Amino acid sequence: AQSVTQLDSQVPVFEEAPVELRCNYSSSVSVYLFWYVQYPNQGLQLLLKYLSGSTLVKGINGFEAEFNKSQTSFHLRKPSVHISDTAEYFCAVRGSGYSTLTFGKGTMLLVSP
Amino acid sequence: EAGVAQSPRYKIIEKRQSVAFWCNPISGHATLYWYQQILGQGPKLLIQFQNNGVVDDSQLPKDRFSAERLKGVDSTLKIQPAKLEDSAVYLCASSALGGTTPYEQYFGPGTRLTVT
Repeated sequence: AQSVTQLDSQVPVFEEAPVELRCNYSSSVSVYLFWYVQYPNQGLQLLLKYLSGSTLVKGINGFEAEFNKSQTSFHLRKPSVHISDTAEYFCAVRGSGYSTLTFGKGTMLLVSP
Repeated sequence: EAGVAQSPRYKIIEKRQSVAFWCNPISGHATLYWYQQILGQGPKLLIQFQNNGVVDDSQLPKDRFSAERLKGVDSTLKIQPAKLEDSAVYLCASSALGGTTPYEQYFGPGTRLTVT
């Protein structure tokens, strides 16, 4: 079984500032890791994923995340946020060889001018 | 490539009424998922189909929820009777078994259900 912890329910930040959204996971098997974004009244859109290889993965909209196996973390970062990045961000984990995703509770990123 | 389609987008019903949601996955995707997303929480898997067979329905409240995918394409999720705590967004997703992105889930826009 897997679980995902997103410690911050809300992260306020000013436009053009850097941001980090934290995600920790637990699993008894090898995992694949994902970050999804959800804009108001929309479904989830995949931002980026870690399947294997380089632990630093780059996604859409200038986001990146680093897989740290020893700390069981997959934190999401962006060096300079825009107002349009205001949304809810979900970290998710899937056991390798399985298709079921387990999601965290989400982090609301609030970008203000 | 057309995405995952869901309807209706919004539904308001009274408790004890019944409601049904429809999902049409991406063409060729064998696996279809229904999630429940309660306000302030992440999506929770209700049921997973592969073609027209159920893979996982361990978190589906079977006394009131049912789902089917008769021809292995589109799917219907039903709630009967609805309770106040069923107010949530119901998300449908689909994924392919093979290809360049096996198991990667693509989500529809969701149906927001309000039970009064």
